[in-house]
Amino acid sequence: EAGVVQSPRYKIIEKKQPVAFWCNPISGHNTLYWYLQNLGQGPELLIRYENEEAVDDSQLPKDRFSAERLKGVDSTLKIQPAELGDSAVYLCASSARYQETQYFGPGTRLLVL
Amino acid sequence: QKEVEQDPGPLSVPEGAIVSLNCTYSNSAFQYFMWYRQYSRKGPELLMYTYSSGNKEDGRFTAQVDKSSKYISLFIRDSQPSDSATYLCAMSKYGNKLVFGAGTILRVKS
Repeated sequence: EAGVVQSPRYKIIEKKQPVAFWCNPISGHNTLYWYLQNLGQGPELLIRYENEEAVDDSQLPKDRFSAERLKGVDSTLKIQPAELGDSAVYLCASSARYQETQYFGPGTRLLVL
Repeated sequence: QKEVEQDPGPLSVPEGAIVSLNCTYSNSAFQYFMWYRQYSRKGPELLMYTYSSGNKEDGRFTAQVDKSSKYISLFIRDSQPSDSATYLCAMSKYGNKLVFGAGTILRVKS
């Protein structure tokens, strides 16, 4: 069974540029999460989807961040415009219905110059 | 004060040692407890999952949860150099977000 797939793995952009990250969850997992992980810290939730619905986006900086999961499968996280402080690892995770265990992808490492 | 506290280390041990990794937490509503292993430049990998209090063993790994003390532990027996990684504890209430510790860096020397 394939795990969570993320792309790109690395991204370097200049500040004020837009950037997008893509995630494909484990097949059959209806819950999808985007996390932000800063160096030396644990992941912090940005947004959680149950199928197509964003059920927890309270930690998503909505002035510059947006996310979508149009068909309830893969998802895109966007930052526009990027700031220097957005340099971090963006992790996607998924879980099966009614399960608490989450499975993570490899992450996208973003560097904003 | 953070909801989940975890000593960042690094913890350095010789090969074959028993390793003890710990987290404390403040929210008594947490019921689900997990340990993830994260290698450098990789995503977190689920190691152990425990519901409520008690022990769970899987191979060389044992997870313990003491809800009365708000304290969880991960023990690694016969540690190997391949166990060198960052270990993240995580916990949640049912249907809620996972709250992670900052991670402990473990180094197992051969």
